[in-house]
Amino acid sequence: AQTVTQSQPEMSVQEAETVTLSCTYDTSESNYYLFWYKQPPSRQMILVIRQEAYKQQNATENRFSVNFQKAAKSFSLKISDSQLGDTAMYFCAFTSNSGYALNFGKGTSLLVTP
Amino acid sequence: GAGVSQSPSNKVTEKGKDVELRCDPISGHTALYWYRQRLGQGLEFLIYFQGNSAPDKSGLPSDRFSAERTGESVSTLTIQRTQQEDSAVYLCASSLVQGYRGETQYFGPGTRLLVL
Repeated sequence: AQTVTQSQPEMSVQEAETVTLSCTYDTSESNYYLFWYKQPPSRQMILVIRQEAYKQQNATENRFSVNFQKAAKSFSLKISDSQLGDTAMYFCAFTSNSGYALNFGKGTSLLVTP
Repeated sequence: GAGVSQSPSNKVTEKGKDVELRCDPISGHTALYWYRQRLGQGLEFLIYFQGNSAPDKSGLPSDRFSAERTGESVSTLTIQRTQQEDSAVYLCASSLVQGYRGETQYFGPGTRLLVL
């Protein structure tokens, strides 16, 4: 079974600071894909960043970057220069090369304070 | 439209009634997914449609749940004889084509279902 674990139910950070959200996963497959999605109060799931497991280089998207440690099965999200609009639930998700459904963690609620 | 749309946005129903939820995917997207999000939880996969292929219904929690999709257009998720445990947000997603794995899925805003 493939599981995704987010060990931080809630986090807070001050505006302009940096925060890191943790995610670990379990799989026996060698090729797979990892995602971070953001869900603001509007409920709309928005893709933040995507990582392909066979790529060693960590994905980045503007203020968002990941630290992908394949051997440790860890996929953390770093948000730099946090903004009030980053307040949301953040979900880590996994899909293998043999499937298509996303497996989600339970999420981390991030609050950015002024 | 520009994104995935879902209707209704919110639905309140009484236990035992049937409900129908609608999803309109991004134009041109051949793959469509339904997920369920219970309060405080991540998303659970329900069903997957790819073009005219037989859907993958492996995530449907009971035979009270069914879904249809005609071609590459609108999909409806039907829950018969609703139970209080069915209360959740139901999210639909679409992707361009399942030509490769790990394709990005684009989500709609969801339907919040409350069963009284």
